[in-house]
Amino acid sequence: QQQVKQSPQSLIVQKGGIPIINCAYENTAFDYFPWYQQFPGKGPALLIAIRPDVSEKKEGRFTISFNKSAKQFSLHIMDSQPGDSATYFCAAGGNAGNMLTFGGGTRLMVKP
Amino acid sequence: DTAVSQTPKYLVTQMGNDKSIKCEQNLGHDTMYWYKQDSKKFLKIMFSYNNKELIINETVPNRFSPKSPDKAHLNLHINSLELGDSAVYFCASSQVWGTEAFFGQGTRLTVV
Repeated sequence: QQQVKQSPQSLIVQKGGIPIINCAYENTAFDYFPWYQQFPGKGPALLIAIRPDVSEKKEGRFTISFNKSAKQFSLHIMDSQPGDSATYFCAAGGNAGNMLTFGGGTRLMVKP
Repeated sequence: DTAVSQTPKYLVTQMGNDKSIKCEQNLGHDTMYWYKQDSKKFLKIMFSYNNKELIINETVPNRFSPKSPDKAHLNLHINSLELGDSAVYFCASSQVWGTEAFFGQGTRLTVV
């Protein structure tokens, strides 16, 4: 049972573009929504996270938009750079006893 | 200092063998996890330990057994290895179950 669905599976943008990755979840008990970035040969690293009490969070060039009623959240990367090329994972969890469940991942390529 | 370290980074072994992967975290976290990442990059949780108590055991074959000698260590032991066990295994830890998880660099297991 896939509780967190992520799309698209892959994405190619030009440098300076704004890639958008979307996730949808099913379990309304989730209250913690992080995004992870993974480079080849490395473990996933936390990029940014949001709680459902806010609809948007920005950290540098990365923004999470959150829609609680739709049970959806998305990652926007402003002014994308070739160094942003990586696999991005959304996840959902929380300290209410919910394990951190990952989406299927999005392979992003930013062309120079 | 590496926050979550796992050894070995690469492991090649024959079918039927028994092997272990070690994990240590120096973050003082209470919860540790093992994730399996398949060839399609999908991250699936296998085990979670909180204060040396197993919290989650997903539908993982009983050939896999986590062993936690203390709060800072969670090792993964695999008996009778099969071809389908080939994957990258990640150890992770978090202060609170289901929230921000820090990942190790992964162990690429290849069963031949």
